Amino acid sequence: EPEVTQTPSHQVTQMGQEVILRCVPISNHLYFYWYRQILGQKVEFLVSFYNNEISEKSEIFDDQFSVERPDGSNFTLKIRSTKLEDSAMYFCASSEATRGDTQYFGPGTRLTVL
Amino acid sequence: AQSVTQLDSQVPVFEEAPVELRCNYSSSVSVYLFWYVQYPNQGLQLLLKYLSGSTLVKGINGFEAEFNKSQTSFHLRKPSVHISDTAEYFCAVRPTNTGNQFYFGTGTSLTVIP
Repeated sequence: EPEVTQTPSHQVTQMGQEVILRCVPISNHLYFYWYRQILGQKVEFLVSFYNNEISEKSEIFDDQFSVERPDGSNFTLKIRSTKLEDSAMYFCASSEATRGDTQYFGPGTRLTVL
Repeated sequence: AQSVTQLDSQVPVFEEAPVELRCNYSSSVSVYLFWYVQYPNQGLQLLLKYLSGSTLVKGINGFEAEFNKSQTSFHLRKPSVHISDTAEYFCAVRPTNTGNQFYFGTGTSLTVIP
């Protein structure tokens, strides 16, 4: 069964450094998403991406964040200058369509900012 | 605005006993409802979803959920749990008419005791 994959599974970085989290969505899916979960808190929406542009973003997704689909398979989340409060589990998801369609999630990348 | 409440952060239950994981939501618009499960070191996997029609929804692994509009609830049930059901369970909603994002609860950790 096709699945969303994410790399790395765990990333440790120093405050102020840039990180890029990578995701490979399911191949025929058109909509891509990033969510994050701070330890002990809710899974929170960051951004959705369709047709090579951001279709929706939350207030968390500020200028420090950016997303890109650099080629036909990868979908990346970049954090330009990490802060301690960026430490969280980051989930990538994809879906064939929107509205009631199922979003398929990857296993997550645990980001630790020191 | 939408919010999802999962009142029970941890639910221990003996093997072969029934279980109910509670989910209540608050929304000013109509929503689709979802339950996801996360096994250790894996991504979020869809258990079941309610889009329309019958309020009793059956999902994978013997789980079912019932949408109760008057109580704004979508509780997840299984009549007899197995050790393999030990996992984190997330309830989520998504507005039917606006946006792509899911709104998640904080999750319920189900532990099945042999």
